[in-house]
Amino acid sequence: EVQLVESGGGLVQPGGSLRLSCAASGFTFSSYAMSWVRQAPGKGLEWVSAISGSGGTTYYADSVKGRFTISRDNSKNTLYLQMNSLRAEDTAVYYCAKDLMWVEDAFDIWGQGTMVTVSS
Amino acid sequence: DIQMTQSPSSLSASVGDRVTITCRASQGISNYLAWYQQKPGKVPKLLIYAASTLQSGVPSRFSGSGSGTDFTLTISSLQPEDVATYYCQKYNSAPLTFGPGTKVDVK
Repeated sequence: EVQLVESGGGLVQPGGSLRLSCAASGFTFSSYAMSWVRQAPGKGLEWVSAISGSGGTTYYADSVKGRFTISRDNSKNTLYLQMNSLRAEDTAVYYCAKDLMWVEDAFDIWGQGTMVTVSS
Repeated sequence: DIQMTQSPSSLSASVGDRVTITCRASQGISNYLAWYQQKPGKVPKLLIYAASTLQSGVPSRFSGSGSGTDFTLTISSLQPEDVATYYCQKYNSAPLTFGPGTKVDVK
């Protein structure tokens, strides 16, 4: 069964840091690009970042560029999102998602999400 | 960056009705357009990609069309389980922007 399981969410103060992880199983992880998508409480979906299968190509939304870093460890079948300089507006459920194939693609598999709350 | 808009923002229809949701891109995106369904409290689900290709396992009452800047998602016969918010997303190039969503209710 293809599965994505996020972890690492929690409560953090403004200006703080957090690293999210997404453990993948049931498919050849290194063959697929992956993305992070977030959803603030009661709001719509916002694409955050994407990374190619090899990890050599990355993209970021303007809202997180320079503060967030996406990475992957294909030997561990795990996707990461390092989040620094967190702001209240980063409060959201963060989903990892598997791209259909390419780094710029639709998302066919989603994790259950992990909640990040930025508050003092 | 290319902006995505959707209309209407919400709608209410009867079971069995034909429902159409429109998504518009501010610039042409060829057919690099996906549609997702998010039921209340659930994870988004891919319905359609490449503007008109039905994802495996998705009921055939869902269909998509369009190219360039104008796209539609059609539910041919609305069912109670279709209550959800529907999002379009462009993926021709980053940023992979989502539309604001259309909330669909059953009367």
